[in-house]
Amino acid sequence: DAGVTQSPTHLIKTRGQQVTLRCSPKSGHDTVSWYQQALGQGPQFIFQYYEEEERQRGNFPDRFSGHQFPNYSSELNVNALLLGDSALYLCASSLTRNNEQFFGPGTRLTVL
Amino acid sequence: AQSVSQHNHHVILSEAASLELGCNYSYGGTVNLFWYVQYPGQHLQLLLKYFSGDPLVKGIKGFEAEFIKSKFSFNLRKPSVQWSDTAEYFCAVNGFAGKSTFGDGTTLTVKP
Repeated sequence: DAGVTQSPTHLIKTRGQQVTLRCSPKSGHDTVSWYQQALGQGPQFIFQYYEEEERQRGNFPDRFSGHQFPNYSSELNVNALLLGDSALYLCASSLTRNNEQFFGPGTRLTVL
Repeated sequence: AQSVSQHNHHVILSEAASLELGCNYSYGGTVNLFWYVQYPGQHLQLLLKYFSGDPLVKGIKGFEAEFIKSKFSFNLRKPSVQWSDTAEYFCAVNGFAGKSTFGDGTTLTVKP
């Protein structure tokens, strides 16, 4: 049973560019959440998708957007990248009835 | 709003020493509580969780945590640590399905 997978593993972008990160949830899970983890900090909740809709959102600007596909996979898009967007981006999946989340390995984004 | 405070940023212990990591949360309603562990080079893994019932919960690898509602605490304990327990530990609270708020983590170093 494959766990949560994310791609790419690492990414380097320059300020002002746009980036798309991808996530495939654990088999049988229908809810995907995205987190940003800056160095030395805990993961910060960005948003959560269920039934292809954004269900909840954390304190992140509109530059951060997402999408969920019918197969429950998800994308995180970040526009107009800033240096401060450099972080590890984590995807977690869960069942809506169960709050237990399973995390992927993350995508390390570096903005130069 | 949810918040989590982990009091110890870095803990250094010798093997066989006992461990207790503090976690306090702030949330007005019913919460689910979690401890996650991140071993060097690996992704976040669930150590244990509390949803309801017995406030003393047992997790993997000999870890346990006690939920004390009156103190808004969910401290992690282990009677005897091993070198392989060296990792970063995160406490998280979940007041809504899937939206977790994490503490900033505690880095545990166990000396052989």
